[in-house]
Amino acid sequence: DAKTTQPPSMDCAEGRAANLPCNHSTISGNEYVYWYRQIHSQGPQYIIHGLKNNETNEMASLIITEDRKSSTLILPHATLRDTAVYYCIVRLLNYGGSQGNLIFGKGTKLSVKP
Amino acid sequence: SAVISQKPSRDICQRGTSLTIQCQVDSQVTMMFWYRQQPGQSLTLIATANQGSEATYESGFVIDKFPISRPNLTFSTLTVSNMSPEDSSIYLCSAGQGFAGELFFGEGSRLTVL
Repeated sequence: DAKTTQPPSMDCAEGRAANLPCNHSTISGNEYVYWYRQIHSQGPQYIIHGLKNNETNEMASLIITEDRKSSTLILPHATLRDTAVYYCIVRLLNYGGSQGNLIFGKGTKLSVKP
Repeated sequence: SAVISQKPSRDICQRGTSLTIQCQVDSQVTMMFWYRQQPGQSLTLIATANQGSEATYESGFVIDKFPISRPNLTFSTLTVSNMSPEDSSIYLCSAGQGFAGELFFGEGSRLTVL
């Protein structure tokens, strides 16, 4: 089962920052936080991941709380093309057998409105 | 990044038949996974495709129904056997390098069983 909790839906005005929260209160020390998004009828797209430090790339920023029990994905200037389902996933660090894979929850449906 | 190509992109099949889906990655990868996405649902992990050995299946999925091959580091197949309408889904291939890196997804193979 997924180890994360996300709101089922959110709205954001175009041009504003979209802040998507994720709760992962049972995360263990060897698990990363990953974010993916899925635009309708497409395969999931990788956004960003982190372990305990905040991360930023050309798409988004990831803010992880100090206790690592929650995180926030920030899209700094949302556009209509950012409308998608956003998945927050915790992923085991050590690979072996079924470890290292991604277990998807229900995600947050983000609607960016003009 | 890795580019993942899946064939077929979509197909309509008759009940009782089998279909093999191919996944080709444009570079050598250490990990490959197969997922299923039923209509309106999130992604569910079917199995880890292990190079040179039998796949590792998740609970609820068995080798007789979903045989998987992975003959090398860039290619894998998933067969959906003895199909029924309940198998109508999008099947997605995922691949990546290293346990703490990104996992990339193909665009999926949309299967409809009549």
